[in-house]
Amino acid sequence: DAGVIQSPRHEVTEMGQEVTLRCKPISGHDYLFWYRQTMMRGLELLIYFNNNVPIDDSGMPEDRFSAKMPNASFSTLKIQPSEPRDSAVYFCASSPHGGDGNTIYFGEGSWLTVV
Amino acid sequence: GNSVTQMEGPVTLSEEAFLTINCTYTATGYPSLFWYVQYPGEGLQLLLKATKADDKGSNKGFEATYRKETTSFHLEKGSVQVSDSAVYFCALAGNTGKLIFGQGTTLQVKP
Repeated sequence: DAGVIQSPRHEVTEMGQEVTLRCKPISGHDYLFWYRQTMMRGLELLIYFNNNVPIDDSGMPEDRFSAKMPNASFSTLKIQPSEPRDSAVYFCASSPHGGDGNTIYFGEGSWLTVV
Repeated sequence: GNSVTQMEGPVTLSEEAFLTINCTYTATGYPSLFWYVQYPGEGLQLLLKATKADDKGSNKGFEATYRKETTSFHLEKGSVQVSDSAVYFCALAGNTGKLIFGQGTTLQVKP
């Protein structure tokens, strides 16, 4: 099992540029989660999908952030335009039946720096 | 709403010392409880979990018991090793599929 795969692992971009983070969940998992980790705010749930449908996007910070899941094996998180305060580690995670009682598996993260 | 509170770190221990990291939660219903560990430069890995009251999760010498009466899920290990140095996250999940994390506790184990 390849686990949750994220790309890029590291990205440095200039303020105002568009950033696209990608995620391939574990095959067969119904749920996909996007988290953001910063020193100040810890781990924050941004959005999660069930069977490719966004269920809760209340954690998305503002309209500059958008997430899509066009099929069961791919999701993107896009930031446009990016700002320095978006610098963080973005984790994608997947789960076979959601968080309740079932393990959520995390990718290794995308480390974003906006300068 | 649901929330998780962990003791603040960093926690610094000598090798073979006893470890306790406190975790308390607020939740409606009967959530499942988890401990995740994050090693430097890596993603989060599940360490252990408990899905109902009085369950004990255990893995790699770590244990935590789901205490409904005190709404707690404290992490313990009898003898820590340098390789246990990491950030530990307590988390809960209700029936919505969302996993809510505590703020994380950094553990440093010195030889």
